[in-house]
Amino acid sequence: DIQMTQSPSSLSASVGDRVTITCQATQDIRIYLNWYQQKQGKAPKLLIYEASNLELGVPSRFSGGGSGTHFTLTINSLQPEDFATYYCQQNEHLPLTFGGGTKVDIK
Amino acid sequence: EVQLVESGGGLVQPGRSLRLSCAASGFTFDDYAMHWVRQAPGKGLEWVSGINWNSGSFDYADSVKGRFTIARDNTRNFLYLQMNSLRPEDTALYYCARGPLSTGWFQYFQHWGQGTLVTVSS
Repeated sequence: DIQMTQSPSSLSASVGDRVTITCQATQDIRIYLNWYQQKQGKAPKLLIYEASNLELGVPSRFSGGGSGTHFTLTINSLQPEDFATYYCQQNEHLPLTFGGGTKVDIK
Repeated sequence: EVQLVESGGGLVQPGRSLRLSCAASGFTFDDYAMHWVRQAPGKGLEWVSGINWNSGSFDYADSVKGRFTIARDNTRNFLYLQMNSLRPEDTALYYCARGPLSTGWFQYFQHWGQGTLVTVSS
């Protein structure tokens, strides 16, 4: 199985900060890496698919990059509504697997 | 509007069975692969199982293989998860999720239900 490792597991940031979360895969997954945001008590929401494609309706301050085994999610100018937990997920190989999550909270 | 509504969760003793259902609406159900994803209390997301549009392809996480069975009814727009030999570690919120319109079914999850809680405890 492909293991997905996110770092950091948590971070504290201020409104307006630029935040970067990384996701590392144990095998080459080409561009088949997706990012989700989950707020407390809510279902996850797709932000980025296939490494760098912004899902419809997601603000442009979110961006994704990378390929192969190393990927990033960047939030430019963090907003109050962005405080949440973020997960990466690969869909190159079965079983589909998620990273352990990165909790972004207020400094 | 895409809607996915899960039901069937509850408290069940270890070793017993439960069947989850997901009612889909707002889209052409048999155009899409469907998946179950779970989240144990306070933990991360775990893909459980997925099935392609015509039930010809499906798979499971190793943790549930041989115990859980995914199925779909394209005439009624329902997705199911039959869960047998339940264990305490199966305790989780189970989400139904839909992928994008695609020929493949190894997917990302574009739409999610609100989940149904399964608690396995004596």
